[in-house]
Amino acid sequence: ETGVTQSPTHLIKTRGQQVTLRCSSQSGHNTVSWYQQALGQGPQFIFQYYREEENGRGNFPPRFSGLQFPNYSSELNVNALELDDSALYLCASSYPQGNIQYFGAGTRLSVL
Amino acid sequence: DQQVKQNSPSLSVQEGRISILNCDYTNSMFDYFLWYKKYPAEGPTFLISISSIKDKNEDGRFTVFLNKSAKHLSLHIVPSQPGDSAVYFCAASAVVAGNQFYFGTGTSLTVIP
Repeated sequence: ETGVTQSPTHLIKTRGQQVTLRCSSQSGHNTVSWYQQALGQGPQFIFQYYREEENGRGNFPPRFSGLQFPNYSSELNVNALELDDSALYLCASSYPQGNIQYFGAGTRLSVL
Repeated sequence: DQQVKQNSPSLSVQEGRISILNCDYTNSMFDYFLWYKKYPAEGPTFLISISSIKDKNEDGRFTVFLNKSAKHLSLHIVPSQPGDSAVYFCAASAVVAGNQFYFGTGTSLTVIP
């Protein structure tokens, strides 16, 4: 069972705009990670949040930012959208120090 | 730099036969490895994992083998079923890196009835 939900499922934005993607973690999970999956590629780690603090970051610029709330839900914000930001954005939750991450179905972002 | 590689983008296997999916990695700090399965329009689903202290882990029809000296792991599915048709991702993590996952590019498995 995953129990991770993401919204919206699809989104279309234009270059330069800002976007917020949302994720609700599986019950009992207090760690959330965000990934970007471009077409034909594997998921690429963006960052991880644990107890509302950023707990690791991949090779993404500062215009990618996030939040985690006391109920462990999370947001991914992307400012100044670029065409290359078009991708599937995946959220995954896990237990603290857990080795297995459980993924949501993702948000498909298209930047025109 | 791609630290986890899946060099076969696709694989076709007859139903009932064995499917073998391969994965190579470059970072010797990786100490935990996972396989995820992904259907279209769904998120990756955890399938099976293995710690670096083991060389084999089995769960029903799925077995993962780890060869640390070769930095290679493989997923065996026996017998393969049409419902196994999906994209399979290999992932690796290191405790010292905060369990950040590094994924391969995936192998699309088609099981032919």
